[in-house]
Amino acid sequence: AQSVSQHNHHVILSEAASLELGCNYSYGGTVNLFWYVQYPGQHLQLLLKYFSGDPLVKGIKGFEAEFIKSKFSFNLRKPSVQWSDTAEYFCAAQGYGGATNKLIFGTGTLLAVQP
Amino acid sequence: DGGITQSPKYLFRKEGQNVTLSCEQNLNHDAMYWYRQDPGQGLRLIYYSQIVNDFQKGDIAEGYSVSREKKESFPLTVTSAQKNPTAFYLCASSRRTNYLSSGNTIYFGEGSWLTVV
Repeated sequence: AQSVSQHNHHVILSEAASLELGCNYSYGGTVNLFWYVQYPGQHLQLLLKYFSGDPLVKGIKGFEAEFIKSKFSFNLRKPSVQWSDTAEYFCAAQGYGGATNKLIFGTGTLLAVQP
Repeated sequence: DGGITQSPKYLFRKEGQNVTLSCEQNLNHDAMYWYRQDPGQGLRLIYYSQIVNDFQKGDIAEGYSVSREKKESFPLTVTSAQKNPTAFYLCASSRRTNYLSSGNTIYFGEGSWLTVV
């Protein structure tokens, strides 16, 4: 069955600390991978996406993610977090080349950055 | 501006009532989706539609119904059979994937809060 797992449900960091949020997927065939962010009181926004090519993907606001096919992983990283990064982060996987665009989400990771 | 519009933003429903959440997009997207967001459970797919007059059940379709009579519109009805309807509902759309293209980014509406009173 298709699934996306996010290992950390809550993460608390101090400003300037480095961030890595884990994401593993289980999906037959080729997948596209995404990270979305939801800031408090706001709607979902796309942070970055991987479709093909360079497995290191850079997104907005200094975030990046690395696709490691052998580990079925797509971890999100940021070298130095800010208080404004406090939000909920969702990893998602989407089948490619089939009859559906169905996007499967992980359960989300709530990140709290302390000033 | 192109985008996805969900309405209403906040809705209260009495026990036993059906309610319909509206989702309209002017992005000319073929595919549309409904997700439900609950704390600690992330986003779960309720229904999706790849093309007009066709839709498929997602992971948690029980107690919900949809229609896709027009490309721009994908309303979701939360029926009285849905045991725990209080949640945040997100509508989304994208271009349709085919064998020759890579994945398409999915765009989200701002969501609708449904509370059962």
